[in-house]
Amino acid sequence: DGGITQSPKYLFRKEGQNVTLSCEQNLNHDAMYWYRQDPGQGLRLIYYSQIVNDFQKGDIAEGYSVSREKKESFPLTVTSAQKNPTAFYLCASSMFFEGYQPQHFGDGTRLSIL
Amino acid sequence: DAKTTQPTSMDCAEGRAANLPCNHSTISGNEYVYWYRQIHSQGPQYIIHGLKNNETNEMASLIITEDRKSSTLILPHATLRDTAVYYCILMKTSYDKVIFGPGTSLSVIP
Repeated sequence: DGGITQSPKYLFRKEGQNVTLSCEQNLNHDAMYWYRQDPGQGLRLIYYSQIVNDFQKGDIAEGYSVSREKKESFPLTVTSAQKNPTAFYLCASSMFFEGYQPQHFGDGTRLSIL
Repeated sequence: DAKTTQPTSMDCAEGRAANLPCNHSTISGNEYVYWYRQIHSQGPQYIIHGLKNNETNEMASLIITEDRKSSTLILPHATLRDTAVYYCILMKTSYDKVIFGPGTSLSVIP
């Protein structure tokens, strides 16, 4: 079945450690997105990519990095510079053309600090 | 900041219609109204969208006022599985960055 796969479902990070969250989609979507969600709050955009080898910062990019080497994959690295990384991370994708197509979301990765 | 405002929480009796309001008084002419919902610990799920006409699909109906400054999502026969946080958002195109506010937490009560 087509969809977005995020892994791992749960992740623990030690102080000073970088961790990478995986996001893979087989929907042939052009655009991919990373969001962060804190308890009781909405989603905030970290990074997004409209085409391969290109990406833009969202509203809260500091302390995060991404790459888009393949259309299907958009991994997110949470670096040691991100001082408050504990959150629920969501990846999404959508078609890239004028007009409406909904964003499809994965089931998220929950990151915690040890 | 989110461009929409929604009540923080609502209750609905099982089997009754759930009517979720959303205000978007600063909506621009080319912005669509979209609704998503998020069940605990899962990713948001697309429900429905509209520009200015009312819309209906297998999940819900969307009523948009004539001035487009507000809308209502209607779940015609709410079930316990409809308990979730419902988000009303505005987008011009599919690749707009999405601004999700805190949404409305809907509790369907047996």
